[in-house]
Amino acid sequence: KAGVTQTPRYLIKTRGQQVTLSCSPISGHRSVSWYQQTPGQGLQFLFEYFSETQRNKGNFPGRFSGRQFSNSRSEMNVSTLELGDSALYLCASSLSRDESSYEQYFGPGTRLTVT
Amino acid sequence: AQSVTQLDSQVPVFEEAPVELRCNYSSSVSVYLFWYVQYPNQGLQLLLKYLSGSTLVKGINGFEAEFNKSQTSFHLRKPSVHISDTAEYFCAVRSLLIQGAQKLVFGQGTRLTINP
Repeated sequence: KAGVTQTPRYLIKTRGQQVTLSCSPISGHRSVSWYQQTPGQGLQFLFEYFSETQRNKGNFPGRFSGRQFSNSRSEMNVSTLELGDSALYLCASSLSRDESSYEQYFGPGTRLTVT
Repeated sequence: AQSVTQLDSQVPVFEEAPVELRCNYSSSVSVYLFWYVQYPNQGLQLLLKYLSGSTLVKGINGFEAEFNKSQTSFHLRKPSVHISDTAEYFCAVRSLLIQGAQKLVFGQGTRLTINP
């Protein structure tokens, strides 16, 4: 079974631009979560989508948004990029069928650099 | 709200020596506990998890962890490390309060370096 895939793996953008990152979950997984990883702040939860609905949200500004499609693929968008948005963005998927399907499987991440 | 503290940011160990990576958590509700490993330029891989039951849990690559409710700790151990264990290790908690939600709260990570 294929793992979580994220595209692109590396991205360089200029301050003020916007960016869209994509995540394809493991087949059959309905929940997709996004995390930001930086050296200073560590791993921080951005949001989670389940059945095309945002189910949980972290403490990030409205410039960070996401969506999930009917095939469970998810995208996250960051508008008006700032230098501080440079980070590794990780996507994780899980079955989330019930409380026992708790494990999150992570993709390799997208390394975003804002110049 | 939950929080996780990994007490050591860096741990250098000689090959074949034992290692313990310490993790304490704070939560007003019951939680699930996890340890993840991250190799350079990769995502996170689940090492082991505690949900309920036996407080000693075994994971992949010879790692194990012990849940101590009174001390709110979940320390990771390995009796004999290898060069290939060099990586960053993250402790994480997930609240049971929010049904179905998958939010993980991570510690700051411990960089384990194995020296020959």
